[in-house]
Amino acid sequence: GAGVSQSPSNKVTEKGKDVELRCDPISGHTALYWYRQSLGQGLEFLIYFQGNSAPDKSGLPSDRFSAERTGGSVSTLTIQRTEQRDSAMYRCASSVREESTEAFFGQGTRLTVV
Amino acid sequence: GQQLNQSPQSMFIQEGEDVSMNCTSSSIFNTWLWYKQDPGEGPVLLIALYKAGELTSNGRLTAQFGITRKDSFLNISASIPSDVGIYFCAGQEGGSNYKLTFGKGTLLTVNP
Repeated sequence: GAGVSQSPSNKVTEKGKDVELRCDPISGHTALYWYRQSLGQGLEFLIYFQGNSAPDKSGLPSDRFSAERTGGSVSTLTIQRTEQRDSAMYRCASSVREESTEAFFGQGTRLTVV
Repeated sequence: GQQLNQSPQSMFIQEGEDVSMNCTSSSIFNTWLWYKQDPGEGPVLLIALYKAGELTSNGRLTAQFGITRKDSFLNISASIPSDVGIYFCAGQEGGSNYKLTFGKGTLLTVNP
């Protein structure tokens, strides 16, 4: 597709369940970022992948959060044993290379933990 | 970690007025960015600043990279109703650290 694609667009899950959020970056973009946005808040950095280098996981809030990027393209953010405080909009962005600041954002996945 | 303080949190202005918002950082950034987010959409890059003291315009928008590299401002002139949205500043340390740190945003409302 032409832009960053995220799925699902909305996810409602029960507390304690695991969830997987998917991001398809723009084709050819080597850098991929995950952010979390809560109501009235800015974008909280979670993790970013830079080409074949080890990802920067410094923003992951707990060990219940993990992310993978397979084949340098699609990325999956996994949240295990979800808690209500995990409810937020999860946004993915990609850029043509890690030092490029022209990061394009997807529409996000709205996660609600009930 | 880095923290960005963005102000004001919200603004209500009349169409045609100019508006200014700014960000300050606890640490130095090598790049400052300004994004706009429309309701239900992802943030879209408006202006990127790469050099201390740089002043850059994009139509009615003007942004400056502070000399200390710890602050930036965004001005919008002659506001129009479609300027409504949330404006975010973001900073990037550069070097080997490419993550973008975002401010909490300025909600702009323009009354026609």
